[in-house]
Amino acid sequence: DTGVSQDPRHKITKRGQNVTFRCDPISEHNRLYWYRQTLGQGPEFLTYFQNEAQLEKSRLLSNRFSAERPKGSFSTLEIQRTEQGDSAMYLCASSLGARMGLAASTDTQYFGPGTRLTVL
Amino acid sequence: GENVEQHPSTLSVQEGDSAVIKCTYSDSASNYFPWYKQELGKGPQLIIDIRSNVGEKKDQRIAVTLNKTAKHFSLHITETQPEDSAVYFCAAYGQNFVFGPGTRLSVLP
Repeated sequence: DTGVSQDPRHKITKRGQNVTFRCDPISEHNRLYWYRQTLGQGPEFLTYFQNEAQLEKSRLLSNRFSAERPKGSFSTLEIQRTEQGDSAMYLCASSLGARMGLAASTDTQYFGPGTRLTVL
Repeated sequence: GENVEQHPSTLSVQEGDSAVIKCTYSDSASNYFPWYKQELGKGPQLIIDIRSNVGEKKDQRIAVTLNKTAKHFSLHITETQPEDSAVYFCAAYGQNFVFGPGTRLSVLP
């Protein structure tokens, strides 16, 4: 399967613990995006990378959240001192358009299956 | 910031009938409008998209129309099948990537 992959698929943690999620984009896709989705809502944008550069961060990304993409391939999203309000599906997407000169605003994003986080 | 509204929130149709979902957006700078289908426990799957230089795009049973003047776009599914049952999201990309709240489509056999 050559789609976007995410690991783990499910994570249960206790309040106050740190968690880290991983996303592997489609091969050669140089843009990578993180979203959060709560039950019954659409995905909410958190941040995105072009290669290893983090180009945009939403105000939803509090200082407890940090994302990295050190080599421009896979990315990690870490949540420190988790709170019950962090319980959600965390989705990753990737896109190819930068190689074709497409702006991120017109670039087709392909989503992974998500990581469901439950904070007890 | 950008706001995307989506209607209806739920839609039930008989198999074989058509389904229409409508979205409106607020940011006139938005210029790319994808539609995603999401099944339970899975990530959103792109089904069709449209860019602001066209007014309509069709792919087999699925079509999308865009009215930039009115800032709205719609998804049309014809000859619906039970496997079309899912949650559908519209999105508007411009300065931000903003999704609508979703429409739960049920196709009744």
